[in-house]
Amino acid sequence: DAEITQSPRHKITETGRQVTLACHQTWNHNNMFWYRQDLGHGLRLIHYSYGVQDTNKGEVSDGYSVSRSNTEDLPLTLESAASSQTSVYFCASSSSLARETQYFGPGTRLLVL
Amino acid sequence: GENVEQHPSTLSVQEGDSAVIKCTYSDSASNYFPWYKQELGKRPQLIIDIRSNVGEKKDQRIAVTLNKTAKHFSLHITETQPEDSAVYFCAAVGTSGTYKYIFGTGTRLKVLA
Repeated sequence: DAEITQSPRHKITETGRQVTLACHQTWNHNNMFWYRQDLGHGLRLIHYSYGVQDTNKGEVSDGYSVSRSNTEDLPLTLESAASSQTSVYFCASSSSLARETQYFGPGTRLLVL
Repeated sequence: GENVEQHPSTLSVQEGDSAVIKCTYSDSASNYFPWYKQELGKRPQLIIDIRSNVGEKKDQRIAVTLNKTAKHFSLHITETQPEDSAVYFCAAVGTSGTYKYIFGTGTRLKVLA
């Protein structure tokens, strides 16, 4: 079955290290999104992409980057991890035919020590 | 900037009673309003949505109402069951442009047996 996956599911890292979180979908969706979820803030958009080679900043993009080299993957990179980036990260995707409906991956819990 | 206010932040109801969660949005261009349910440690899952050309939509025990003039929309759950216990998120989406989601901060619903 088509799906959206994230890896790793749990990650512990140290401040200053570079970390990459993977997101992979097999629905052939053009649109992909990264969110972080923190208590009291709900889900906040980090970066998004509407297709290969397209990337856009969301409301909390500082310290994060993404690249889109194919339709299936949108990896999220923390250039130099900070304790403030401890969070749960969700990837989501939507199709071009029903762009408004997003489907979420299982999430990655990241702890920055 | 654009925002969505969601109330209440926590809600406890007796099994069999109804639950109502309310959201208010600021961007008048928003015209799609999904609701997500998130169980502990799980991904957000779409449970119902409504578009701006409709005032109400029902799906078994859940319903959503929309008042575009007042920029309000609400989730109604009738005959609540323990498995309805979760965090519920509303979102407002402007489908004429970026399809970005602006999420509310979530409501933790507890259904007491």
